[in-house]
Parts: sequence; structure tokens; C-alpha cells
Amino acid sequence: GDSVTQMEGPVTLSEEAFLTINCTYTATGYPSLFWYVQYPGEGLQLLLKATKADDKGSNKGFEATYRKETTSFHLEKGSVQVSDSAVYFCALSRWSTGNQFYFGTGTSLTVIP
Amino acid sequence: DGGITQSPKYLFRKEGQNVTLSCEQNLNHDAMYWYRQDPGQGLRLIYYSQIVNDFQKGDIAEGYSVSREKKESFPLTVTSAQKNPTAFYLCASSRTQGGSYEQYFGPGTRLTVT
Repeated sequence: GDSVTQMEGPVTLSEEAFLTINCTYTATGYPSLFWYVQYPGEGLQLLLKATKADDKGSNKGFEATYRKETTSFHLEKGSVQVSDSAVYFCALSRWSTGNQFYFGTGTSLTVIP
Repeated sequence: DGGITQSPKYLFRKEGQNVTLSCEQNLNHDAMYWYRQDPGQGLRLIYYSQIVNDFQKGDIAEGYSVSREKKESFPLTVTSAQKNPTAFYLCASSRTQGGSYEQYFGPGTRLTVT
């Protein structure tokens, strides 16, 4: 069945460091891929998405490229800020399953000044 | 502003009592979803509904019930049969027609049962 595997945390970085959070997926067909962010005590917010192979999603300095050959959708940011501290979730969906989402277990990021 | 509201933000109940969590959306989305989140874990799907008066069980439906009488509303009842109900509950909604769409999430309800 469909699934998402993302790197385990927690991840701790200094401000202005480079961030990579790995995400790989298993799915038949052509899923859409998403990154969500969750701040403490809140719901999830969509960070970026990509709907087909080689698409690059980007938002607020974060980027991820849909790589079908490696079934990956790694999240990157060139220079993290303290305000980026949150939990990041990778997810996929397929229209053929009624837009049901499959989430990774989340990666906690802490950025220290 | 369009969005999803969940109320209350914090809910406390005694063991053996049923409790209903509210979820309302004004995004005109067809599909709505309920997830459970436990500390340090990902989201697990409880129930989802793609159309009014119809819903399907997710991965962990036992001990929960839902209704979908209106497009805007998808309340979740946590029954006394749910063995470990203390958790953070998230409601979401999305479009469904013609493609794969992002889900929009509410702020969540933290339920504590003692």
C-alpha cells in the first residue's frame, strides 16, 4: 500500500544553517506530494506541494523537488531561522483513493540562535 | 475568511462518558477528515467523508463515530468504547473533484480523559 518514510528527528541546527529533511514514498501510479508544518499546539499548515514528476514546490525559502526515479521529495532550506522551529510532515495523496492522505511520522526541527 | 474551526480547543472528560468534537468548514469543500495525533507520532486517520450522508472508516475507527448531515459540518464522537481516548484530534477538509488536492487543517482539539 501507499506509505511515506521521512527521516527521524529530532534535528537541531544553528541559525543560518542548511536544512535537509529526507522523505521517500511508496505508491502506485502518480501521487501528489506535500510538505506540512506544525507549530506547537496547532494544526498542520501546507508548506509546499508538487503534483507531478520533476515539479519543484517552494514557499518561504523552503523547496522540494518531486523525483520519481528515486521516489523522493526531500525538503531543503538554505538558511534556517529560529522561527522555522516546528514539526515537518511529508505526505502523499492519489486522486484514485479519494484524496486520502498518507503522512510520514514527522521530523522535529529546533533552530538555536 | 474561509477556514476550518474546531471547538473547544481543550476538552476534559471522565472515563466512561461519550464526548463530541465539533468541526465546521466554510471552504465549500466536499471532503472532510478526522485524524488522531499522539505525542511524537504522525497522524492516523479515524474517519473520512467525501459527500454528505456518507462516510468511511479510516485506520483506527474503533470506538469513534461520525455524522455528515451538512456539507459544512463533520462532528466526531469519542465513545466510552475507545480504550485510550486522550489525544490531539485534528479535522481537515479538501476538494476532491478531478485531482489531488491539499487538505486544510483546523487548529485541533486536545482531549484529556481521566
